Amino acid sequence: AQRVTQPEKLLSVFKGAPVELKCNYSYSGSPELFWYVQYSRQRLQLLLRHISRESIKGFTADLNKGETSFHLKKPFAQEEDSAMYYCALSGPSGGSNYKLTFGKGTLLTVNP
Amino acid sequence: KAGVTQTPRYLIKTRGQQVTLSCSPISGHRSVSWYQQTPGQGLQFLFEYFSETQRNKGNFPGRFSGRQFSNSRSEMNVSTLELGDSALYLCASSLQGLPRYEQYFGPGTRLTVT
Repeated sequence: AQRVTQPEKLLSVFKGAPVELKCNYSYSGSPELFWYVQYSRQRLQLLLRHISRESIKGFTADLNKGETSFHLKKPFAQEEDSAMYYCALSGPSGGSNYKLTFGKGTLLTVNP
Repeated sequence: KAGVTQTPRYLIKTRGQQVTLSCSPISGHRSVSWYQQTPGQGLQFLFEYFSETQRNKGNFPGRFSGRQFSNSRSEMNVSTLELGDSALYLCASSLQGLPRYEQYFGPGTRLTVT
């Protein structure tokens, strides 16, 4: 079974401080991993995915297969980064049936 | 490009009834996925339709079903509603869908079962 764990429900940092949102996964295979974000009163949207290895809005995430983690990092948090962040994993769950499994989310608050 | 639209935005139903939710994907997208979001369970994958066929399925009972039309619009049906079906139902469209492609989410339909 595939599982995504985001250990922190809430994370509060000050503007300009580094931020790291943790994501650990359980999956036997090579998953596709994503970070989705939901800003206040907006729709859920993709922030980044491990396969593209890009930096979006200053955020990066590295897939660590040894630790089965995909932590999201930003060196200097901004107030506009305040949002709910979801880590998600996509992989086959029985034959060729794919699922997209989300973590429970971390609410990030960046204080001025 | 117009985003994903969902109708209705809010619904109140009684236990035992059935309900149909609708989702219109972004033009050109062939994949539509459905998710249930509740405070307790979070976001859970229901199923994905691609070119009118159910391609992937989550772990929900058979009361939850869906279909996709030739224009890629999708409907989700829940029969014999239970109180626990109260949730925000999100649909997402994607160019090619799972496992790799970006999902574009709609605003959701808030279903309340009384």
